[in-house]
Amino acid sequence: SQTIHQWPATLVQPVGSPLSLECTVEGTSNPNLYWYRQAAGRGLQLLFYSVGIGQISSEVPQNLSASRPQDRQFILSSKKLLLSDSGFYLCAWSKTRGLSEAFFGQGTRLTVV
Amino acid sequence: DAKTTQPNSMESNEEEPVHLPCNHSTISGTDYIHWYRQLPSQGPEYVIHGLTSNVNNRMASLAIAEDRKSSTLILHRATLRDAAVYYCILSGRDDKIIFGKGTRLHILP
Repeated sequence: SQTIHQWPATLVQPVGSPLSLECTVEGTSNPNLYWYRQAAGRGLQLLFYSVGIGQISSEVPQNLSASRPQDRQFILSSKKLLLSDSGFYLCAWSKTRGLSEAFFGQGTRLTVV
Repeated sequence: DAKTTQPNSMESNEEEPVHLPCNHSTISGTDYIHWYRQLPSQGPEYVIHGLTSNVNNRMASLAIAEDRKSSTLILHRATLRDAAVYYCILSGRDDKIIFGKGTRLHILP
């Protein structure tokens, strides 16, 4: 069966520090991968999605970047965190382009102080 | 991206059916209608999806209008654990999965 792992669950980082959140998927190959952010009390905002290794599409201009070094690994990064980067970050995967359901990780709650 | 419109919030009594509406008047012929729900402090959870015909699964039923410009998620017997934000999403050829604001469902005991 397929599983998605996202860590850490919670993170407190100072302003200006770097960020690296990792997401891995097991039990499937060539998944579509997604990073979302949810600010407190707000909806889910799609940040990045990837249809293959090295293929990253960015949805909104921001202080973050994403990479996909391996088929089932998706990394969200920042060189210098801002206070506005605080939020609930969720990784997700789906089998095919929009036609099948997406499965979400448990999320990382990031607080930038 | 094709857009959906949902009420901001709804209330229902426990053990009664709940009908959550969604309008998607600009849906294209290849767009699937997906529903997800998000419980507090958790990631979204897939509920159901369909294209043209009504669909049933263990969680819910999806009723799709004949012109496909609207759909309704039906929870047959709501429980307190069904309190969540429910999202109606269109997805098709595009690889993106875009969430709207959803409907916050309150279940009254």
